[in-house]
Amino acid sequence: KAGVTQTPRYLIKTRGQQVTLSCSPISGHRSVSWYQQTPGQGLQFLFEYFSETQRNKGNFPGRFSGRQFSNSRSEMNVSTLELGDSALYLCASSLEGRRLTDTQYFGPGTRLTVL
Amino acid sequence: AQSVTQLDSQVPVFEEAPVELRCNYSSSVSVYLFWYVQYPNQGLQLLLKYLSGSTLVKGINGFEAEFNKSQTSFHLRKPSVHISDTAEYFCAVSSYNNNDMRFGAGTRLTVKP
Repeated sequence: KAGVTQTPRYLIKTRGQQVTLSCSPISGHRSVSWYQQTPGQGLQFLFEYFSETQRNKGNFPGRFSGRQFSNSRSEMNVSTLELGDSALYLCASSLEGRRLTDTQYFGPGTRLTVL
Repeated sequence: AQSVTQLDSQVPVFEEAPVELRCNYSSSVSVYLFWYVQYPNQGLQLLLKYLSGSTLVKGINGFEAEFNKSQTSFHLRKPSVHISDTAEYFCAVSSYNNNDMRFGAGTRLTVKP
């Protein structure tokens, strides 16, 4: 079974631009979560989608948004990029996002650099 | 809200020596606890998790962790490490009533020959 895939793996943008990152979960997984990883703040939860609906949200500004499609693929969008948005963005999928029974599987991440 | 503190940012150790990576958490409600490993240029991989029951949890690659409720700790141990265990290790907590997972800052384990 293929793992979680994220595209692109690397991305360079300039301040003020917007960016869209894509995540394809493991086949059959319906929950997709997004995380931001930076040296200063560590790993922070962005949001979780389940059945095309945002189910949980972390403490990030509205510039960060996401969506999930009917095939469970998810996209994350960041508008009006700031230098501080430079980070590794990780996507994780699980069957239904239940901590008790499900395991989250992480993708390799998309490394975003904002110049 | 819950939070996690990993007490050591870096742990150097020689090959075949034992290692303990320390993790403390705080939460006003019952929690689930996790350890993840991240190898260079890769995503996170689940090592083990504590949900309930036995406080000693065994995971992959010979790692184990012990949940100590009175000390609010969930330390990760391995009796004999290998060079291939060199990686970043993250402790994480998630409360029963939401799916917001909080991660510690990470501990970089370096295994030297």
